[in-house]
Amino acid sequence: GESVGLHLPTLSVQEGDNSIINCAYSNSASDYFIWYKQESGKGPQFIIDIRSNMDKRQGQRVTVLLNKTVKHLSLQIAATQPGDSAVYFCAGDFGNEKLTFGTGTRLTIIP
Amino acid sequence: SQTIHQWPATLVQPVGSPLSLECTVEGTSNPNLYWYRQAAGRGLQLLFYSVGIGQISSEVPQNLSASRPQDRQFILSSKKLLLSDSGFYLCAWSVAGLGTDTQYFGPGTRLTVL
Repeated sequence: GESVGLHLPTLSVQEGDNSIINCAYSNSASDYFIWYKQESGKGPQFIIDIRSNMDKRQGQRVTVLLNKTVKHLSLQIAATQPGDSAVYFCAGDFGNEKLTFGTGTRLTIIP
Repeated sequence: SQTIHQWPATLVQPVGSPLSLECTVEGTSNPNLYWYRQAAGRGLQLLFYSVGIGQISSEVPQNLSASRPQDRQFILSSKKLLLSDSGFYLCAWSVAGLGTDTQYFGPGTRLTVL
């Protein structure tokens, strides 16, 4: 079956450095992936998405890379700020109009 | 613009008591609606989703039920709460009919069952 997981449950990065959060998916191909940011006590917030016909998409300070060959997805955050501290989830749509979420990576920005 | 509301924000209920959590969406019509539960420090578990009024799909067997009495209203209920029902409940919506699309989440309800 489909699953979406993350390589690391926690990640600490010095303020101003770049961070990379990784996500792997297995089995079936997904048409669509999303990255969400969840701050403590709040609902997940959409950051950026990518469709399977793309391998890179950029937003403001964020870049998502999709490698369909190895079924790997990453979120890069440039010049991290204290406000970037949160849990980051990847999610994929494996063709059933429902999203499958990874377990999340907690990103901590060290001042 | 679209907004999604959930209430209450927090709730403390005794075991065996009933539950009703409400979610409403503004600024869109005929959305897909979703209920998720998130245990502390964990990912999101899809509980129910709805593609229209009165249409509810359940993802996992449980002590909860969902209803959609109006187009933009989604309700999560229980007749008798269990300790294991504690968690952070999130409602989400997406645009219907696109096959794959972003889901937008509400602020969540923190439920503690004692």
